[in-house]
Amino acid sequence: DSGVTQTPKHLITATGQRVTLRCSPRSGDLSVYWYQQSLDQGLQFLIQYYNGEERAKGNILERFSAQQFPDLHSELNLSSLELGDSALYFCASSASGGADTQYFGPGTRLTVL
Amino acid sequence: DQQVKQNSPSLSVQEGRISILNCDYTNSMFDYFLWYKKYPAEGPTFLISISSIKDKNEDGRFTVFLNKSAKHLSLHIVPSQPGDSAVYFCAANDNFNKFYFGSGTKLNVKP
Repeated sequence: DSGVTQTPKHLITATGQRVTLRCSPRSGDLSVYWYQQSLDQGLQFLIQYYNGEERAKGNILERFSAQQFPDLHSELNLSSLELGDSALYFCASSASGGADTQYFGPGTRLTVL
Repeated sequence: DQQVKQNSPSLSVQEGRISILNCDYTNSMFDYFLWYKKYPAEGPTFLISISSIKDKNEDGRFTVFLNKSAKHLSLHIVPSQPGDSAVYFCAANDNFNKFYFGSGTKLNVKP
């Protein structure tokens, strides 16, 4: 158990819809990362937050947004969903957000029908 | 553009032998490299890391080697155990705090 929690575990929705994925980092960690893993692909870095502020941005689509709240939990919002958005979405946390070890949650499996 | 590449999607080795997983990268600005292990239905777990100022880091049965001139790193597992069977991802961190992951190598250690 990494100490990072993600909800929900599974999510099935239709094209055009909007969903919110939630992540609670390990106790004491200030940084949260979001990744997308499509079928048979590596992890694609989406975005990083540190202590409530956006710190780094990867290949995140404009239809996607994220935020980190004062209690340090984070949410990833995916809107106007397309079939190709079906993937595993992982959240990870680290202590300070530099070249620290990241601890991953179990992931949310999103299926868009 | 894949900046971190793991060209072997799978590897099969006998229990007790050495497993060597390879990773190549293209960005010379990467300064920190990590290996993660992932079991099915779980998130990746950190295994071992190496800074660009080193060429080797060892932790028990796991050793990571970094060859900066070749932009290549490898993970050696000796001796390999059936419990090591998993997908292994290499990752690199740049100066802008972005992380880049390879597509993974599925290791199967046969008893």
